[in-house]
Amino acid sequence: DAKTTQPPSMDCAEGRAANLPCNHSTISGNEYVYWYRQIHSQGPQYIIHGLKNNETNEMASLIITEDRKSSTLILPHATLRDTAVYYCIVRLRTGNQFYFGTGTSLTVIP
Amino acid sequence: NAGVTQTPKFQVLKTGQSMTLQCAQDMNHNSMYWYRQDPGMGLRLIYYSASEGTTDKGEVPNGYNVSRLNKREFSLRLESAAPSQTSVYFCASSSRTGLQETQYFGPGTRLLVL
Repeated sequence: DAKTTQPPSMDCAEGRAANLPCNHSTISGNEYVYWYRQIHSQGPQYIIHGLKNNETNEMASLIITEDRKSSTLILPHATLRDTAVYYCIVRLRTGNQFYFGTGTSLTVIP
Repeated sequence: NAGVTQTPKFQVLKTGQSMTLQCAQDMNHNSMYWYRQDPGMGLRLIYYSASEGTTDKGEVPNGYNVSRLNKREFSLRLESAAPSQTSVYFCASSSRTGLQETQYFGPGTRLLVL
């Protein structure tokens, strides 16, 4: 059973904020939420991660709901180079594995 | 600091041939991973190594073997390649602090099995 659920695709106008949602309703109390992106079949690139509090770095912001069942990745001013597949990831409960899912394909439109 | 490197970048095999995909990291990470990615799909874990000298199966281990040669290197071997193993293979290494773990990925190896 899937650990995360994301919309398959989204569009965003260049210069606007891109808000990418993710549901992770079965997440356990000590599991972090990670976001990665993959640009045109390159290796996935780490963006940000969080546990409970909202997080911000030079690339993005991560908003996690109070019940931790969902989160939103925010790219504040999307550029054409942000066109990529974005993965919301949680660690599986057993072993040392991360569940990637199929991600959201974000297209930034000029 | 090259991060995670993979060789070769591309490979074409015939069914039944064998080959080894190489991966190395220079970040002194303990954990290393091999994933495969099929067209339009997310990454699926093949094998991982939590530390030097240990390896464990992931979601799709059948048809593969791995070797954690030392802390830097983690190789993936296909003993008898099949067309179903046509995919892009990514190696990753990770640093862990408590329950936080960030993975860093290589550029991938594109494998075509005819």
